[in-house]
Amino acid sequence: KQEVTQIPAALSVPEGENLVLNCSFTDSAIYNLQWFRQDPGKGLTSLLLIQSSQREQTSGRLNASLDKSSGRSTLYIAASQPGDSATYLCAVISGAGGTSYGKLTFGQGTILTVHP
Amino acid sequence: DAGVTQSPTHLIKTRGQQVTLRCSPKSGHDTVSWYQQALGQGPQFIFQYYEEEERQRGNFPDRFSGHQFPNYSSELNVNALLLGDSALYLCASSSGQLNQPQHFGDGTRLSIL
Repeated sequence: KQEVTQIPAALSVPEGENLVLNCSFTDSAIYNLQWFRQDPGKGLTSLLLIQSSQREQTSGRLNASLDKSSGRSTLYIAASQPGDSATYLCAVISGAGGTSYGKLTFGQGTILTVHP
Repeated sequence: DAGVTQSPTHLIKTRGQQVTLRCSPKSGHDTVSWYQQALGQGPQFIFQYYEEEERQRGNFPDRFSGHQFPNYSSELNVNALLLGDSALYLCASSSGQLNQPQHFGDGTRLSIL
């Protein structure tokens, strides 16, 4: 059974800092990994999707890396801003090919607060 | 291009009642998945619908059922509501291709009194 863990559970940083959020998963046989952002009381916004064959993906100030063999992914946020404050969730699709049908297994999230 | 839309936004029910939540997928998507997110937790997979059939199911009791219509929209039904069913219910849609991201709606906040 796939389990996803995110560390730290909460993080508070001053504006402008670079930061790293961590995600680990127990079964390395994943199809892909997706990072999401969730604002309070809202749905999930997809940030980055990394295929199992890829090592990293970048979008603006965000960079996500994937080390499938060790079961780890990191989300790097450069020059953090107060608007980055949200909960960040990582999720994996396990299994090879279409057997998983896209079921996402989520971590519990990291609550990020960026203060001015 | 409308994204994933869910209705209603909020719902209050009492124990033992039944509830129906609705989801319209993003244009071009044919696969709909439902997730339950308790406060402070990550979403948990309930089930997925494709071609009007339940294709995969998570560890949820039979009180949770669903339906997908020919236009790909979907409903989640929960019978005999329990206090523990209070949560944010999220709908995600996709094209069915695993190399594409899934898109989520804003959810329905269900409160059981």
